[in-house]
Amino acid sequence: KAGVTQTPRYLIKTRGQQVTLSCSPISGHRSVSWYQQTPGQGLQFLFEYFSETQRNKGNFPGRFSGRQFSNSRSEMNVSTLELGDSALYLCASSFGTSRGGEQFFGPGTRLTVL
Amino acid sequence: AQTVTQSQPEMSVQEAETVTLSCTYDTSESDYYLFWYKQPPSRQMILVIRQEAYKQQNATENRFSVNFQKAAKSFSLKISDSQLGDAAMYFCASDSGGGADGLTFGKGTHLIIQP
Repeated sequence: KAGVTQTPRYLIKTRGQQVTLSCSPISGHRSVSWYQQTPGQGLQFLFEYFSETQRNKGNFPGRFSGRQFSNSRSEMNVSTLELGDSALYLCASSFGTSRGGEQFFGPGTRLTVL
Repeated sequence: AQTVTQSQPEMSVQEAETVTLSCTYDTSESDYYLFWYKQPPSRQMILVIRQEAYKQQNATENRFSVNFQKAAKSFSLKISDSQLGDAAMYFCASDSGGGADGLTFGKGTHLIIQP
């Protein structure tokens, strides 16, 4: 089976712009979770989608949003980019909900905001 | 809220030796899960080992084992016969919020393997 894929792998944007990141889970997986990784804050949970519904959300402003499609692919959107949004964005998929189970991570999208 | 603390920012071990990475956590939940993830330079997170809190037996996966001390809220990872490929960042994580918080990660321990 192919692993979790994320596109694009690298992005450079300027402040005020918006960006959309994509995540394709492992075939058959219905849950996609998103995490932000920065040197200062470490790994932080953004949100989880399961069967096209947002199941839960971390402590991030409303500028961060996401959605999941019927084929389980997920997109994450960040509007009005700030310098502090520069980070590695990781998505992870699991067969059922993420609760307690193994999550398979993608290689990440490196976002740089100038 | 959950917290996960890794007190060792960096550890170094000789190849073929044994090393233990420390992790403590805090949760008010009775039903929770604990994980160790490895992040090599490629940045892709890989699950090393998983522990269900209600299971008293410590989880093991080949050269990797944990020492789960529930009362002390401690969850250390032991790597036996260290190999060069074990060099990576290791993150301890908990899942105890009924899914509400996703995984809560520690800050990580950078493991260096000396040949």
